[in-house]
Amino acid sequence: GAGVSQTPSNKVTEKGKYVELRCDPISGHTALYWYRQSLGQGPEFLIYFQGTGAADDSGLPNDRFFAVRPEGSVSTLKIQRTERGDSAVYLCASSNGGADTQYFGPGTRLTVL
Amino acid sequence: KQEVTQIPAALSVPEGENLVLNCSFTDSAIYNLQWFRQDPGKGLTSLLLIQSSQREQTSGRLNASLDKSSGRSTLYIAASQPGDSATYLCAVNSGNTPLVFGKGTRLSVIA
Repeated sequence: GAGVSQTPSNKVTEKGKYVELRCDPISGHTALYWYRQSLGQGPEFLIYFQGTGAADDSGLPNDRFFAVRPEGSVSTLKIQRTERGDSAVYLCASSNGGADTQYFGPGTRLTVL
Repeated sequence: KQEVTQIPAALSVPEGENLVLNCSFTDSAIYNLQWFRQDPGKGLTSLLLIQSSQREQTSGRLNASLDKSSGRSTLYIAASQPGDSATYLCAVNSGNTPLVFGKGTRLSVIA
């Protein structure tokens, strides 16, 4: 595709519900990153995939957060038992790996009521 | 642990003025540094990427410099325009690792 796409663009849910956020990276990019951006802050790293495997998941805040990339392309970020503090913009980026430029999607704005 | 700081947090200037945004980082062992632009409610747009071996990069009215040894970078915007109003984010890449971002500088250019 022309760029990184993310769906949905906005998601409103109730506390305690389960949500899935999707990222479609640039075709051929082997590396995929998830970041979370709270209001007035810079993006903070959550998890990084190289191919199908999670190369670094040290940024996931707790075990309610999980991400997969089963075929090495599309990735889904899954959040269980959502809390109000999970409200943020979730950004996805892809690259050719290593120190190559990361290209960002438009983000998914998650609001937990 | 790498930390990135951006100063000022917010800046308001009249149209036409030249301006400088500052970024500092604590660990000089970086591969590259990237400046991004973020419009309200939008994702990140990459403006300039400077490799650790480079001193500066230019794109149109934008010029980014890097002093790796002192842990500093600046983004210079010439002849600012109202359309430049956005948040500017600095991020460092230490190799096969995720980007570490500053909190950004919110720029307003007043017509």
